[in-house]
Amino acid sequence: QQQVKQSPQSLIVQKGGISIINCAYENTAFDYFPWYQQFPGKGPALLIAIRPDVSEKKEGRFTISFNKSAKQFSLHIMDSQPGDSATYFCAATGGYNKLIFGAGTRLAVHP
Amino acid sequence: GAGVSQSPRYKVAKRGQDVALRCDPISGHVSLFWYQQALGQGPEFLTYFQNEAQLDKSGLPSDRFFAERPEGSVSTLKIQRTQQEDSAVYLCASSLGRGGGEQYFGPGTRLTVT
Repeated sequence: QQQVKQSPQSLIVQKGGISIINCAYENTAFDYFPWYQQFPGKGPALLIAIRPDVSEKKEGRFTISFNKSAKQFSLHIMDSQPGDSATYFCAATGGYNKLIFGAGTRLAVHP
Repeated sequence: GAGVSQSPRYKVAKRGQDVALRCDPISGHVSLFWYQQALGQGPEFLTYFQNEAQLDKSGLPSDRFFAERPEGSVSTLKIQRTQQEDSAVYLCASSLGRGGGEQYFGPGTRLTVT
């Protein structure tokens, strides 16, 4: 019930392409779904987040799509750049904000 | 500073030694979290403080792990009698409010137990 399942494990995209990472959750009490970006040797950095009262949120090149009935959400990175190469984690939480993370997706954007 | 800071950034300990890891949250942030990140994995929750009160320690893997935040600001995670399986990156995060909201992570402390 506490798991967040993330796929794919790794992703290779050409520069300018769209990167798509998917997550699924079981716990219907979750009410906050952030995405974090992590570079090697650094802590996770909050990228974008969504609450279940909306189906989509866009910030620059990053978009979260949220499907409450399917208990799934995804991150889309438009016009992917080599600087986007990092590990991306989805997460979910309810209540006081203890985050449950997915296993991560290692994204490589090739020039 | 503007962000969450952690020290030391790297720690090598011999098996059986005690270690103490420090976290300085963003000034004024009420909530503080510790997570453990194994190599190639997502962070896993260890414990949560609201001001000086430790409200959830359900993620601490054993009684060798102990955390405190005595004045509601700086926090210390202590691991006694370290074991090889304790090798991981220990991340600290803080958030402004008591619930709901954005968590900001520090750079982590990489602990290697030899």
